[in-house]
Amino acid sequence: DAGITQSPRHKVTETGTPVTLRCHQTENHRYMYWYRQDPGHGLRLIHYSYGVKDTDKGEVSDGYSVSRSKTEDFLLTLESATSSQTSVYFCAIAGTSSEQYFGPGTRLTVT
Amino acid sequence: GIQVEQSPPDLILQEGANSTLRCNFSDSVNNLQWFHQNPWGQLINLFYIPSGTKQNGRLSATTVATERYSLLYISSSQTTDSGVYFCASPRGYGNNRLAFGKGNQVVVIP
Repeated sequence: DAGITQSPRHKVTETGTPVTLRCHQTENHRYMYWYRQDPGHGLRLIHYSYGVKDTDKGEVSDGYSVSRSKTEDFLLTLESATSSQTSVYFCAIAGTSSEQYFGPGTRLTVT
Repeated sequence: GIQVEQSPPDLILQEGANSTLRCNFSDSVNNLQWFHQNPWGQLINLFYIPSGTKQNGRLSATTVATERYSLLYISSSQTTDSGVYFCASPRGYGNNRLAFGKGNQVVVIP
């Protein structure tokens, strides 16, 4: 199994609070991705990274920011959480082959 | 961008039965992945299959890139095969972002 961890695995937070989710990999892969998964919408890309400090937006990036200061870590920040951001968040990594591997997911509830 | 469609959306199987899931994509692709999301939400890589056929135990996959489809075969299904199966393909050549299908929901009953 690819070495990907996500933290926290579960979080409940209140509307308006900032939240940061962490993805950590031990594979030294270049590409990292953040997805959200919601019923009826499948997996949707939020942001992705193609190297340290190199990031770009996905299809549902509004309200989210990311940072990648080290190869192994990719952070997703919700600056001011809203109820519409209640979701399951998955991190994924890929090397040169572009085959993606997913982390265990983080279940986020915004009340 | 590329569109990925999966069929059937829902499937109920008696344990021991065989089944075929299909993934159609709208443009030429240079790779295709199949994933299984188990009832606990974990996404597991099944196959990375740009073309040809691969087998892994009771599962096998075939991609015919020239005809823009891939098939996932489940033989002698078991209750542990329940979950959602996703196929995904890059959004274009040299593009590392994947386009996902909406999934095949499979329930295997004992």
